[in-house]
Amino acid sequence: AQRVTQPEKLLSVFKGAPVELKCNYSYSGSPELFWYVQYSRQRLQLLLRHISRESIKGFTADLNKGETSFHLKKPFAQEEDSAMYYCALKLSGNTGKLIFGQGTTLQVKP
Amino acid sequence: DTEVTQTPKHLVMGMTNKKSLKCEQHMGHRAMYWYKQKAKKPPELMFVYSYEKLSINESVPSRFSPECPNSSLLNLHLHALQPEDSALYLCASSQPLPGQGYRGYTFGSGTRLTVV
Repeated sequence: AQRVTQPEKLLSVFKGAPVELKCNYSYSGSPELFWYVQYSRQRLQLLLRHISRESIKGFTADLNKGETSFHLKKPFAQEEDSAMYYCALKLSGNTGKLIFGQGTTLQVKP
Repeated sequence: DTEVTQTPKHLVMGMTNKKSLKCEQHMGHRAMYWYKQKAKKPPELMFVYSYEKLSINESVPSRFSPECPNSSLLNLHLHALQPEDSALYLCASSQPLPGQGYRGYTFGSGTRLTVV
């Protein structure tokens, strides 16, 4: 069965510290993975797609098929990174259906 | 226009009322979605429309009735809801096929629904 697991509900770090938000997936097909972010009182927005291998706001994520992981990393956290982060798996086919993980709240302390 | 617009932003309705949520996008996306999100939980898929046709209904109760009148609009008609249906209802859109430049969802800001 397809599943996305984010093991940490809350991750609290100090400003300037490295950040890694973990995401593991279970899927028999070819995975397409995404990170979405929801800042306080703002809409859910796309942060990263694994296909594009881009860096957005200093965040990167690499798909590791051997470990079935797609962890989100940033070398130096900023206070404005505080938000809820969701890892999401797009299922095969043309419906675009996404399966979301439970989310991790990132709290960056000054 | 790179947004998904949802109206109203807030809605309070009684259990016997009939109301509708509206969603609009002008990005040319041909897939549109309704998600339900409870506080501090991830979005849960309700319905998927692809090229204006309903392609997925995630066993949603019939008191929720979606409608896609054209490629830019998506409605969710509500009738005889229960208090446990109170949640943030999110609309999203995307290109339906990876070959057409799939870039993930664009979400609206949601309608916060309270059923009393």
